[in-house]
Amino acid sequence: DAGVTQSPTHLIKTRGQQVTLRCSPKSGHDTVSWYQQALGQGPQFIFQYYEEEERQRGNFPDRFSGHQFPNYSSELNVNALLLGDSALYLCASSLGQDPTDTQYFGPGTRLTVL
Amino acid sequence: AQRVTQPEKLLSVFKGAPVELKCNYSYSGSPELFWYVQYSRQRLQLLLRHISRESIKGFTADLNKGETSFHLKKPFAQEEDSAMYYCALRADSWGKLQFGAGTQVVVTP
Repeated sequence: DAGVTQSPTHLIKTRGQQVTLRCSPKSGHDTVSWYQQALGQGPQFIFQYYEEEERQRGNFPDRFSGHQFPNYSSELNVNALLLGDSALYLCASSLGQDPTDTQYFGPGTRLTVL
Repeated sequence: AQRVTQPEKLLSVFKGAPVELKCNYSYSGSPELFWYVQYSRQRLQLLLRHISRESIKGFTADLNKGETSFHLKKPFAQEEDSAMYYCALRADSWGKLQFGAGTQVVVTP
């Protein structure tokens, strides 16, 4: 099991563009959470997907949206990119039915907005 | 509001010396606290959680509800402990984690 995987590793976009990041959860996991980690900061919760629905959302604008597929993989979409969206985007997977379950993180996607 | 504070951005210690990473939280209920670690060029991984009350790689952390703290300690630091450490709080049943800003630990020989 490769654990949580994310693609791409790095991405460079310009302001105003749109971006899609992808995440495959750890085998057996059905819940995917997305975090944004700006330089020098801890990860900040964006949203969580369970059973193909957004179950919980952090304090991020509607430009940030997501999707979860039947195989539990997930996408994070960001529209109208701003310079401030430059960050490491982390995906974490867990078991939705077990609130005490550990979240396993992927390696992240480094997004640079020019 | 929920908040996790790690007051030290950088901790530099000598090998064999004790190390303590501070973490304070604000939350009115009964949170679950974690320490995550990120070694160089590796992904973020769970180090320990307060409900387990276990020692991992020689590290321990005790939840002090009176002082709203969850400090991470190790009596004898090793060079392989050099990493970024994040304190995190889970304040709901769906798993959302609130992270501190992190503390960089550098252990020098």
